[in-house]
Amino acid sequence: AQRVTQPEKLLSVFKGAPVELKCNYSYSGSPELFWYVQYSRQRLQLLLRHISRESIKGFTADLNKGETSFHLKKPFAQEEDSAMYYCARSSGNTGKLIFGQGTTLQVKP
Amino acid sequence: NAGVMQNPRHLVRRRGQEARLRCSPMKGHSHVYWYRQLPEEGLKFMVYLQKENIIDESGMPKERFSAEFPKEGPSILRIQQVVRGDSAAYFCASSPARGGGPEETQYFGPGTRLLVL
Repeated sequence: AQRVTQPEKLLSVFKGAPVELKCNYSYSGSPELFWYVQYSRQRLQLLLRHISRESIKGFTADLNKGETSFHLKKPFAQEEDSAMYYCARSSGNTGKLIFGQGTTLQVKP
Repeated sequence: NAGVMQNPRHLVRRRGQEARLRCSPMKGHSHVYWYRQLPEEGLKFMVYLQKENIIDESGMPKERFSAEFPKEGPSILRIQQVVRGDSAAYFCASSPARGGGPEETQYFGPGTRLLVL
């Protein structure tokens, strides 16, 4: 079965520190991978997708097919980055998403 | 554009009752996905619908759960004879086309929190 794994439930860093949220996926063809974010009291929203190769709010994520990883990185964390982050992959030709368990990022002042 | 709307936001039911969850997609979106999030878990795909058609229901429990997306009106996720294990957050997402590609982002609603007593 296709899986997405986020090994950390909680990641706590200080403001200005680098952040890396880990995501691994089970190999299956050419996956489409995404990072979604949910800020407090807001709905889930797309942060970035690997196909776009863009940086959003200072976050980047590189698809590493050899390690089957899609880690989310930011060089300097900000307090407003505190949120729940979900890694997801698209499955099959229907576009349904398979989500990881989520990682709570807590950025302390 | 108001975004994806879900109602009710919170729903309390007793065991054996029926729960009806509604999802109004964004204007112009004809594709709807339902996901369920059990406590302490990630979101899990349930069903994918287009107008008047169920395309993929591979994530739906075999019994008691059904979904529809009529030509007019919102998509409905219906749970009959609810049990305590159905307590979860149910999220709906819509997209203008089949989700996954660059122009096919899934936009999520705020979710319905179902509590079964």
